[in-house]
Parts: sequence; structure tokens; C-alpha cells
Amino acid sequence: DAKTTQPNSMESNEEEPVHLPCNHSTISGTDYIHWYRQLPSQGPEYVIHGLTSNVNNRMASLAIAEDRKSSTLILHRATLRDAAVYYCIRNAGGTSYGKLTFGQGTILTVHP
Amino acid sequence: DAGVTQSPTHLIKTRGQHVTLRCSPISGHKSVSWYQQVLGQGPQFIFQYYEKEERGRGNFPDRFSARQFPNYSSELNVNALLLGDSALYLCASSFGVTRNQPQHFGDGTRLSIL
Repeated sequence: DAKTTQPNSMESNEEEPVHLPCNHSTISGTDYIHWYRQLPSQGPEYVIHGLTSNVNNRMASLAIAEDRKSSTLILHRATLRDAAVYYCIRNAGGTSYGKLTFGQGTILTVHP
Repeated sequence: DAGVTQSPTHLIKTRGQHVTLRCSPISGHKSVSWYQQVLGQGPQFIFQYYEKEERGRGNFPDRFSARQFPNYSSELNVNALLLGDSALYLCASSFGVTRNQPQHFGDGTRLSIL
């Protein structure tokens, strides 16, 4: 199964950076790492994805370890609207594509 | 551009009934996936359709079925409803089926079984 491990919860203060870790020690060489977040009463929202290199977009940065066994989602300046459940997912593609295996995720609390 | 739209937003049914949930993908997206999210848990994969063909099925009973239409919209059908089917049903769309493509989710249909 496409297993990842994340802390159950994390807390941050508004306007501070947040580093959300994810372990995926059994990842294969062609699996992408995707991050989604889910705000209350909404469907999951795509955040970012990557394969080997670090990635940046308007929402966040993704740092992938050299051995690819872990990654970190970085929110550069947390806002109250970033309070959500964050899911780290291995996307194996091929016949597995479309089957995103969500774990429990990390509940991020942002304090004013 | 419109995102993924799902209807209805809320639905109440009783045990034994049948339900049909609908999903319209983002324009140009050819893949639709369905997920079930029970309160307090992450979404669980039910089905994936691409170009009107089933490409994946999760560990759900045969009471669950789906189809995709020529315009790429999709329906999820659940027969003989059980109390345990109460959940948020999510639809996600993507352009294709490669592993580097993100999926875009709707806000779901909240199904309550009495």
C-alpha cells in the first residue's frame, strides 16, 4: 500500500513559517509526492507535488530529501486560512493513478 | 473557470433506499474519481473513470457503482443503503491519468442515512 507517515497535529503562530514533515521510506523511484489540504467543510485542495527536486509554487514549497524517503511541506508565512488537515500522498501512477491513498493527515492549527 | 461541481450538496435517505450522486468535472478534464470520507477520517478511494472506462476500483461492495458519460460527467450509485454509508462523497477530476497530474476536488455531497 502507498504508506506515508505524518504527525497527527502541529501548531504555528500567524505569519511564522511552518514545516510539515512526511515520511515515505518505501517510496519507489517513480512515485510522485503530492500534498493536499482540506479546510473544514470543503473538499481536499491540491497544494503541490514533486518527484526529486525541490518545488515552489504560490501556495507553498516542497523539499524532498535526497534519498526521497521523506519530504517537508513549507508554508512560508502561515495565515489563519492555512488552518487545515494536510495530507502527504504517494502517487504511483499507472494502474494506481486516481487512487490517492489518504492517511489521517496532519491537523495544522494556526494561532493569531 | 468553474471547478468540480457536485450535486446535490446534502441528501437524506433511509436504509434500503438507492441514491445517485452527480459530478461535473473541470472543463477539459477527462478523468473522474470518487471518494468516500467518513467523519474524522481521510477520504477513501471508490472508483476512477477515464475516457468513460473504469480504470480503478477501491475496496467497496458491489452496491456501489458508477459511470462516466460522453461529456465526462459522472454518476455514483449506491443501492440498498446502510447506516454505514453515511459520509461525505467527494468527486475529483484531472486531465489525464499520469502520476504527475494533480486531482481537483469538489466540495462533496453529504449523505445521511436514517
